[in-house]
Amino acid sequence: GESVGLHLPTLSVQEGDNSIINCAYSNSASDYFIWYKQESGKGPQFIIDIRSNMDKRQGQRVTVLLNKTVKHLSLQIAATQPGDSAVYFCAELRGGADGLTFGKGTHLIIQP
Amino acid sequence: DAGITQSPRHKVTETGTPVTLRCHQTENHRYMYWYRQDPGHGLRLIHYSYGVKDTDKGEVSDGYSVSRSKTEDFLLTLESATSSQTSVYFCAISGDTEAFFGQGTRLTVV
Repeated sequence: GESVGLHLPTLSVQEGDNSIINCAYSNSASDYFIWYKQESGKGPQFIIDIRSNMDKRQGQRVTVLLNKTVKHLSLQIAATQPGDSAVYFCAELRGGADGLTFGKGTHLIIQP
Repeated sequence: DAGITQSPRHKVTETGTPVTLRCHQTENHRYMYWYRQDPGHGLRLIHYSYGVKDTDKGEVSDGYSVSRSKTEDFLLTLESATSSQTSVYFCAISGDTEAFFGQGTRLTVV
């Protein structure tokens, strides 16, 4: 089964509000996590990453939180804008060249 | 954007025919991957390569083969296409960490 998954298939937020997208993983050996954004008709785009020796990392308007105790990952987007509308995937890398394992994605919908 | 080019971008083929998708990179990255994306399944790894002539199977490798004769090219072949292989195929490349994706190839098997 999936070792990385997202709790909600769709998340609807008001423009200007903060968005929080969640992800659970089951493999304790995973040591690297990434959030991707995928707009319609395009390939996934890297947003932010975090290693397992960290619990928080901030980028421009985005923050990733990692809770290894409960194997939970979240992406926070501040002041959500219409351009943030997309499907967001979390991905885990277990080390080596095995490739990223992706969750099924959350569709973020921005309401005006 | 990372230098990744997938070709073709769209293809319609008949059941039972062989199909080859090409991924070309200009970044000299060691790792290359083929994923397929389907509704309800997200992105699933088909095959990957960790160097020239070094490849391995991913989660959904049945019915697919790959070849990497040069660092810059990673080919995905459907030996005998089936309707279940109708999907969007993404190539990705990486150095040691994050993967960068191509624009995708939409394949329809009729």
